[in-house]
Amino acid sequence: GNSVTQMEGPVTLSEEAFLTINCTYTATGYPSLFWYVQYPGEGLQLLLKATKADDKGSNKGFEATYRKETTSFHLEKGSVQVSDSAVYFCALSEGAGGTSYGKLTFGQGTILTVHP
Amino acid sequence: DAGVIQSPRHEVTEMGQEVTLRCKPISGHDYLFWYRQTMMRGLELLIYFNNNVPIDDSGMPEDRFSAKMPNASFSTLKIQPSEPRDSAVYFCASRRTGGANEKLFFGSGTQLSVL
Repeated sequence: GNSVTQMEGPVTLSEEAFLTINCTYTATGYPSLFWYVQYPGEGLQLLLKATKADDKGSNKGFEATYRKETTSFHLEKGSVQVSDSAVYFCALSEGAGGTSYGKLTFGQGTILTVHP
Repeated sequence: DAGVIQSPRHEVTEMGQEVTLRCKPISGHDYLFWYRQTMMRGLELLIYFNNNVPIDDSGMPEDRFSAKMPNASFSTLKIQPSEPRDSAVYFCASRRTGGANEKLFFGSGTQLSVL
């Protein structure tokens, strides 16, 4: 079956540091890949997505590139802010050609804390 | 739009009691999902509906769990009887079919504590 593996956290950084959160996946077909963010006390929100190999998703300074050859979708940001403190989830969805049915397989989540 | 609305936000109950969690999806969304989040297992899909019909309930842990969607604007997840290991955050999410930027909208969750 499908699975998603994220780097273990928590991750603690100083403001303006570079962020990388690793994500690798196992899937039988051609999944769409997502990063979701969960702020304290809130539900998950879609941060960015990529639907095919070599696509780069980006939003709010975060980026991730769909690497089919390494089955990875690492999240990066060049300069983090205190407001980026949250839990980040990598996820994939079944379906081909970028179709997302919403049945997501999530990674375990990585807690990010950014200090001033 | 008000977003996905879940109630209650917090529920504390005793082992053996019945618990009912409620969800109102975004109007016009035809898919509804129930997820459970725990430290040990992360986020797990329990069940999802399409046009009020349950499509996949393979994630429902056992017969103590049941979910219904009597109409397009309301769904419940019921646990009877509840057990301490059911303690978790339960999320409801909805989405609509089609569109260039399909995405799943999550509610704020129900924090369930079973003592």
